[in-house]
Amino acid sequence: RKEVEQDPGPFNVPEGATVAFNCTYSNSASQSFFWYRQDCRKEPKLLMSVYSSGNEDGRFTAQLNRASQYISLLIRDSKLSDSATYLCVVHRSGYALNFGKGTSLLVTP
Amino acid sequence: DVKVTQSSRYLVKRTGEKVFLECVQDMDHENMFWYRQDPGLGLRLIYFSYDVKMKEKGDIPEGYSVSREKKERFSLILESASTNQTSMYLCASSPDAGGSQYFGPGTRLTVL
Repeated sequence: RKEVEQDPGPFNVPEGATVAFNCTYSNSASQSFFWYRQDCRKEPKLLMSVYSSGNEDGRFTAQLNRASQYISLLIRDSKLSDSATYLCVVHRSGYALNFGKGTSLLVTP
Repeated sequence: DVKVTQSSRYLVKRTGEKVFLECVQDMDHENMFWYRQDPGLGLRLIYFSYDVKMKEKGDIPEGYSVSREKKERFSLILESASTNQTSMYLCASSPDAGGSQYFGPGTRLTVL
C-alpha cells in the first residue's frame, strides 16, 4: 500500500456542485493530517488541518476515519476559484510529512 | 503571515555546475525542508533540518547537500548539477515536528 493514495482525477464539476475527495494512508501511527491546495505552477498552501472529530471551514469539511485510515474533503457550492489540485498530507514520523500526489479539480461555468 | 522566500523563481544552469538554492523564513520556525516536485511523482523530500547546523536526509538526498548556519536560512546545494535534477524545488518551514508546513514560491531549475 502506498503511503498516501489519492485518486488523481480530474474531477470536472459544474459551479454550485458538491464534490468529495478521498485519501487513504498506510501508517496507522500517523498523528496529524492536512489538506493542501496547489494552483498550477504555484506552491502548495495549507487548506485545513483534519481532526478526529471532523472539522468544517466555510464550504469545506474534512473528516478522518482512523480505523479505516481514510481522510475525506467535501467541498460544497463549488466556485470557479476552487479549481486546483488538492493534496492529502499525513504525518510520517518525527518531523516529516507524506504528501499524496494530488487530486485535480476543475469547476466549470 | 508566515513568509518563506526563495532566492530565484527560475534558474538555468549547465551540467556539472555547482548550484545554490537559498530559502529564508521570517517566522522563527525550528524546522525547514527541501522538496522537489516532478509531474507524476508528487513532492519528494530531499533534506530537512530541525535546528541550526542539524540536518537529516529525506527520501532522495543523493546528489544534494544542505547548509543551515542561521535559523532563518536553509540552503540546498547541487554539488554537480545533472539533467535529471531539472525540477521544481520547494522550500518549507514548520514550527512543530509533524505540524503543517509553509512553502516558499519555488524555484524552477533547468539543467542543460
